[in-house]
Amino acid sequence: EAGVTQSPTHLIKTRGQQATLRCSPISGHTSVYWYQQALGLGLQFLLWYDEGEERNRGNFPPRFSGRQFPNYSSELNVNALELEDSALYLCASSLRQGIEKLFFGSGTQLSVL
Amino acid sequence: DAKTTQPTSMDCAEGRAANLPCNHSTISGNEYVYWYRQIHSQGPQYIIHGLKNNETNEMASLIITEDRKSSTLILPHATLRDTAVYYCIVLSNSGYALNFGKGTSLLVTP
Repeated sequence: EAGVTQSPTHLIKTRGQQATLRCSPISGHTSVYWYQQALGLGLQFLLWYDEGEERNRGNFPPRFSGRQFPNYSSELNVNALELEDSALYLCASSLRQGIEKLFFGSGTQLSVL
Repeated sequence: DAKTTQPTSMDCAEGRAANLPCNHSTISGNEYVYWYRQIHSQGPQYIIHGLKNNETNEMASLIITEDRKSSTLILPHATLRDTAVYYCIVLSNSGYALNFGKGTSLLVTP
């Protein structure tokens, strides 16, 4: 069974540009979560999607947005990139919302120059 | 969700048991304790979770105190591949997603 897959693995952008990160959950999982992990820090919750709807949002500005498609895959968009957006972006999926263990992808390393 | 406190780092000799503590003194009755670990440059991996009873699986054991204010993750025979950052998280059953702190960086030495 395929795990959570994220693309691209690495992404280099310049300040002011837009970045799009993609995530495919484990087959049958309906919940997708996005996290940001800046160098040396813990994971910061960004967004949570379930059944195509945004269910919760972390303490990030509106230029961080996303969506979940009918096949439950998800995109994270970051507009007007800033240097401090450089981080590892992790996607996770779970079978359903609530008390379920999360399965993480390997992440997209975003570098903003 | 209740906040957790973990030591920043710990060392353990290969083959010995690694005991990783976590304090969650504000945990409420419907909140679970989850443990994940993150090996360098990879996504976190689920280890184990529990509500109030001790739990064991093929990876580790979880010991939760009777008052549920703290817990200990036990890796019975640590190997070099267990070197990772270990996160203790408390999650309610409200359906909200998890927030991870900085965790404990465990170094297993030969």
